[in-house]
Amino acid sequence: DTGVSQDPRHKITKRGQNVTFRCDPISEHNRLYWYRQTLGQGPEFLTYFQNEAQLEKSRLLSDRFSAERPKGSFSTLEIQRTEQGDSAMYLCASSPAGAGANVLTFGAGSRLTVL
Amino acid sequence: GESVGLHLPTLSVQEGDNSIINCAYSNSASDYFIWYKQESGKGPQFIIDIRSNMDKRQGQRVTVLLNKTVKHLSLQIAATQPGDSAVYFCAESRPNTPLVFGKGTRLSVIA
Repeated sequence: DTGVSQDPRHKITKRGQNVTFRCDPISEHNRLYWYRQTLGQGPEFLTYFQNEAQLEKSRLLSDRFSAERPKGSFSTLEIQRTEQGDSAMYLCASSPAGAGANVLTFGAGSRLTVL
Repeated sequence: GESVGLHLPTLSVQEGDNSIINCAYSNSASDYFIWYKQESGKGPQFIIDIRSNMDKRQGQRVTVLLNKTVKHLSLQIAATQPGDSAVYFCAESRPNTPLVFGKGTRLSVIA
């Protein structure tokens, strides 16, 4: 297992365009998380899944953001009509359910720049 | 309000010295704490964790101390090495809630 993989690593887009990020978690992990990190700040929680069920969404996740995990494996995070304020690193993490659920293993992130 | 934060945004230490990175939290219901290390261009990497029923936990060259009375935890790194240079985050969790991260402390190791 190569850990948590995220794609693309970098995305530059124009304001108003849609972007989609993909995350492949550690295969035996039931839980998958999305966080957003801006420069000089800690990661901010966006949403998480247990298997295919989306269990919690942050107020940060506006209606332009949607996350899916259709088969309980990989997940996608889509941002519609991007704004400059969406520029950030989008981090995906996974963890097992039960014991160890709080120990998140992060991917390297997908950096979004909105021009 | 509820928050997890850090006393110092930057810390410079001489190679070989011990480093102490501090973190304050405000929610007394937090029962689990983690320290993460983040190097440039990488995602946060787990270092060590501690539950609220413990005061101290040791790992390899790292020790986490938890003082619930003043809602403070610290990360001690022994014999700091250049490879320890990174941003360090504390994160806290309450039952059935995702991890909440603080702003981070940048550790710079001077060779």
